[in-house]
Amino acid sequence: QVQLVQSGAEVKKPGASVNLSCKTSEDTFTKNCIHWLRQAPGQGLEWMAIIDPSGRPTNFAQKFQGRATVTREASTRTVFMELSSLTSQDTAIYYCARAPSHSTSSGRWYFDFWGPGTLVTVSS
Amino acid sequence: QSALTQPASVSGSPGQSITISCTGTSSDLGTFNLVSWYQQHPGKAPKLIIYEVRKRPSGVSDRFSASKSGNTASLTISGLQTEDEADYYCCSYAGSNTLVFGGGTRLSVL
Repeated sequence: QVQLVQSGAEVKKPGASVNLSCKTSEDTFTKNCIHWLRQAPGQGLEWMAIIDPSGRPTNFAQKFQGRATVTREASTRTVFMELSSLTSQDTAIYYCARAPSHSTSSGRWYFDFWGPGTLVTVSS
Repeated sequence: QSALTQPASVSGSPGQSITISCTGTSSDLGTFNLVSWYQQHPGKAPKLIIYEVRKRPSGVSDRFSASKSGNTASLTISGLQTEDEADYYCCSYAGSNTLVFGGGTRLSVL
C-alpha cells in the first residue's frame, strides 16, 4: 500500500526557513521519484521540484532555485524539502507526490499518489 | 515558464458532457506527450485522472477522456454526475526537467 505521510502544520515568521518531510514506504523510496508541489489559499497548483531515487540531480522550478533544497534520508525512508527566506507569498499547502517510475522518461512526470499536504503559514 | 491556460470555470447539467481546454506553447504541451489531468475536491489532495495525454489510471471512470491537438489539450467528461463537481488541473512537461500547471478550472454541475 502506497503511503506518503507528511509532517504537521507550520507557522513561520518572514525570513525564516521551513523544513517539511514526506515519509514513504520502502518500495516508493527506492523505486519512485518524489515531487514537491504547493497550493496557495484559493489558488492553483504549482510544481516546485523533483528528486530521483537513482541519484540524478534534483530539479527545481526556476522560481525556487537557490531557495529550496530537497534531500532524502534512507534510514527513515523520508524525503525533506527546505524552503528558505520565507515571505507571506509562501503561505500554502505543500504536497509531496509520487511519480509512478524513475526509470522511464514518461513515468517521472505525473503523480499517481499524493500526500495529504502540510499547511505552512508565514506571518509576522 | 508561464502557466498553461485553462478556463476559470465551466458548467453543465447532470448527464451532459463538458470539455475543458488547456493551452500551452510549442515549448511545453505542443512538444511533449506528457500531459496529465487532476481532479481536486475542496479540502482534498488532487487525484490523477489522465496521464500521458489520454491514458486513464485503473479505477478512473471511462466518462473521463482526453486528447491533444497542437498546443491545446482537452479533457472531456461525459454523463456529468454531481460528484464530478470539482477543480480540474492540467499539467505538462515543459522541458529541462520541469513541469508546468494550468491555472485550474472549476466545474459546476447545475
